[in-house]
Amino acid sequence: QSALTQPPSASGSPGQSVTISCTGTNSDVGFYRLVSWYQRHPDKAPKLIIYEVTKRPSGVPDRFSGSKSGNTAYLTVSGLQAEDDADYYCSSYADSHVIFGGGTKVTVL
Amino acid sequence: QLQLQESGPGLVKPSETLALTCTVSGGSISGSYYYWGWIRLSPGKGLEWIGSVYYSGTTYYNPFLKSRLTISVDTSKNQFSLRLTSVTSADTAVYYCVRPQNNYDNTGNSGFAYWGQGALVTVSS
Repeated sequence: QSALTQPPSASGSPGQSVTISCTGTNSDVGFYRLVSWYQRHPDKAPKLIIYEVTKRPSGVPDRFSGSKSGNTAYLTVSGLQAEDDADYYCSSYADSHVIFGGGTKVTVL
Repeated sequence: QLQLQESGPGLVKPSETLALTCTVSGGSISGSYYYWGWIRLSPGKGLEWIGSVYYSGTTYYNPFLKSRLTISVDTSKNQFSLRLTSVTSADTAVYYCVRPQNNYDNTGNSGFAYWGQGALVTVSS
């Protein structure tokens, strides 16, 4: 199955912003506004931080924001903090099931 | 507070069947109008949606796993289960039981809001 494409790594210093891309096709990311983002710390379960492209679940800081342009979705983390050092995964609905990206390791320098 | 907990063997031999159970606490599977599902995280492959089950027994499966997959529910025990047959090393992964954010969401397109802690299953002889 075709997975969504994410860069393997990204980094930024505390206080800076980092943006992660998630590229799909016009059959998934480009067609549906059903993109989610997850944060995962080592040996922990993933945590939902963005759903339906731009929405944040209750309790997720507004430093996390999502957007989409064409077949690519983006997650921006503003004002990087040490606890943002984690893996980030995107997902999209795609014709009867959900597909995920391979994950991006964000390092806070 | 809703909690999910996976249980099952951590080691399965190639060609055999992988079986895991998820026990739900802090909420009821039956009549809750939510789908309950499984996701796995493989080394180097990332996350993969496996499938989901409704309290009535209705299932939705990843089309790429469908031929080997059975997901079932036991409302009397507030549990749901995963069976994956004919496993290979490619099925080695951490398996999570999950619940979507929205009710009636059979594939998690609204986002998976609840996750178990994960169960590592290794396929090896």
